[in-house]
Amino acid sequence: DTGVSQNPRHKITKRGQNVTFRCDPISEHNRLYWYRQTLGQGPEFLTYFQNEAQLEKSRLLSDRFSAERPKGSFSTLEIQRTEQGDSAMYLCASSLGSGSGDEQYFGPGTRLTVT
Amino acid sequence: AQTVTQSQPEMSVQEAETVTLSCTYDTSESDYYLFWYKQPPSRQMILVIRQEAYKQQNATENRFSVNFQKAAKSFSLKISDSQLGDAAMYFCAYRSARRNDMRFGAGTRLTVKP
Repeated sequence: DTGVSQNPRHKITKRGQNVTFRCDPISEHNRLYWYRQTLGQGPEFLTYFQNEAQLEKSRLLSDRFSAERPKGSFSTLEIQRTEQGDSAMYLCASSLGSGSGDEQYFGPGTRLTVT
Repeated sequence: AQTVTQSQPEMSVQEAETVTLSCTYDTSESDYYLFWYKQPPSRQMILVIRQEAYKQQNATENRFSVNFQKAAKSFSLKISDSQLGDAAMYFCAYRSARRNDMRFGAGTRLTVKP
């Protein structure tokens, strides 16, 4: 399977702990996106990478959140000092293209529960 | 700021019938893209159909078609000959041609009755 993969699929953590999620995009895709989806809502954009450069960040991405994409391959999203409000599904997507109409391929998500 | 509104939290359709899901959006831009994504239960989100705002012709993909009304800022999805596998959450999404953030609506849960 050469789709977008995310690990772990589920993460339960205690408030105040740090967590890190990984996303492996489709291999030739130069663009990578992170979204957050809470129950009953659509995904909310968090950040965007083109190759290794983080080009766009949402105001939702507080200073407790940091994302990286070293060497333009896989990406990690770290949340420091987790809060109960961080509980959500974190989705990663990748695409190949230079315009805004390219199809984004989504991963299965990482479900975070903060207790 | 661009917003996307899906006013139907839930819809149901009989197998083989046609259903239309509604979506409206708010933007001051003229160049953008609109998408419908499908999220089956416990499965990954997949693209159903996309529309470029500069194209007047409505997009179609097999049983899926859209009614794009640019002046009214409306983008509805029509599913013809509904199948059990069409049951899913459907999200309407907007993306500016100048930016990389995609804005999603809250979704419509579609149930298909056999």
